Amino acid sequence: GAVVSQHPSRVICKSGTSVKIECRSLDFQATTMFWYRQFPKQSLMLMATSNEGSKATYEQGVEKDKFLINHASLTLSTLTVTSAHPEDSSFYICSARGASGGVSRTQYFGPGTRLLVL
Amino acid sequence: AQSVTQPDIHITVSEGASLELRCNYSYGATPYLFWYVQSPGQGLQLLLKYFSGDTLVQGIKGFEAEFKRSQSSFNLRKPSVHWSDAAEYFCAVGPTNAGKSTFGDGTTLTVKP
Repeated sequence: GAVVSQHPSRVICKSGTSVKIECRSLDFQATTMFWYRQFPKQSLMLMATSNEGSKATYEQGVEKDKFLINHASLTLSTLTVTSAHPEDSSFYICSARGASGGVSRTQYFGPGTRLLVL
Repeated sequence: AQSVTQPDIHITVSEGASLELRCNYSYGATPYLFWYVQSPGQGLQLLLKYFSGDTLVQGIKGFEAEFKRSQSSFNLRKPSVHWSDAAEYFCAVGPTNAGKSTFGDGTTLTVKP
């Protein structure tokens, strides 16, 4: 149980275009979802926290107009990288936490999305 | 504020040897503690977690961790390491009332044949 999926697993796009990454909780309702960015050989950098039906809370230094997050349902959150540039190339990982029970205090992670902006 | 320290950036052990990865935390209340493992190019997989009760917790893949409140530690152990255990390991504490968990910087485990 507590499976989180991400799509796509990798994406290559041209500079200036937008890319959408989907994160789904497959077998539980995720009231809170998190988006992380990870650089090679480094730890996770939290970008934003989103609660279902609410606006996302962005970490300091993360441009909310560039990284659009939508958490419209209890099983789906999306991250859209707008007007992507090569410096946005990275590994993006989502994580989900449920409302109650065993999934309420634990973050479950998706498999990640590798973004390459040319 | 909560924090997590993983003192060892990189550890190398021989296959079949025992393993201990260190984790120290700072947290204002009784912590919820986690260990995750990340293989290259993958997301994080939950190995085990501690919420309360028995301070020795068993996880998947033969891992265990012991919560020691007096030392603010939650070290991960495995009696006999397999080559497939080579990966990045993250310790985490949380969530706070703000809903966020804090992750350590990770320990890279290399397994020698």
